Amino acid sequence: NAGVTQTPKFQVLKTGQSMTLQCAQDMNHEYMSWYRQDPGMGLRLIHYSVGAGITDQGEVPNGYNVSRSTTEDFPLRLLSAAPSQTSVYFCASTRGQGALTGELFFGEGSRLTVL
Amino acid sequence: TQLLEQSPQFLSIQEGENLTVYCNSSSVFSSLQWYRQEPGEGPVLLVTVVTGGEVKKLKRLTFQFGDARKDSSLHITAAQPGDTGLYLCAGPNQAGTALIFGKGTTLSVSS
Repeated sequence: NAGVTQTPKFQVLKTGQSMTLQCAQDMNHEYMSWYRQDPGMGLRLIHYSVGAGITDQGEVPNGYNVSRSTTEDFPLRLLSAAPSQTSVYFCASTRGQGALTGELFFGEGSRLTVL
Repeated sequence: TQLLEQSPQFLSIQEGENLTVYCNSSSVFSSLQWYRQEPGEGPVLLVTVVTGGEVKKLKRLTFQFGDARKDSSLHITAAQPGDTGLYLCAGPNQAGTALIFGKGTTLSVSS
């Protein structure tokens, strides 16, 4: 019953460092996405992918890169971490590529602190 | 820009009380979803409503989709401490490429 797995669960970075948040799903879902959750701001979409080799920007993409080389994996890269990127990051997936009416399955989140 | 506004932002009640939380927008949505999120975990889907005027019941939770498909409500009857959590409404953007989330209602039920 793995579902959506995110690693690491916790990470502390210094300003300017880079890192990759990993996300893997074992449900053969075509759609995958990354959100960040900040107090009072709700969940905001960073990037999403409708299938291997296809990615697109969400509401808050600056400072983040993604790639989708396989159906299962959707890593999120922070190129040069800034304190404003301190947040809880969630990876989510769902079946299909079309209009999102199905359930979005979330990972447990990755809590990132940038000093 | 499609926005979903949730109210109230915080709600603290005693066990056994009834409550209603709201999700409103000036935009029409093809469907709306409600998720519950507990501390340290990701959101989990409770229900999807797709037809204007639709009412769905999940045990003590009643979900309603407005006739014009611009709003939704969640009513909890006889709240229990296990209902404590963050309740989020969400709907697809017009392109159908992403889910837009409201900022959520934090519910605390004390015994």
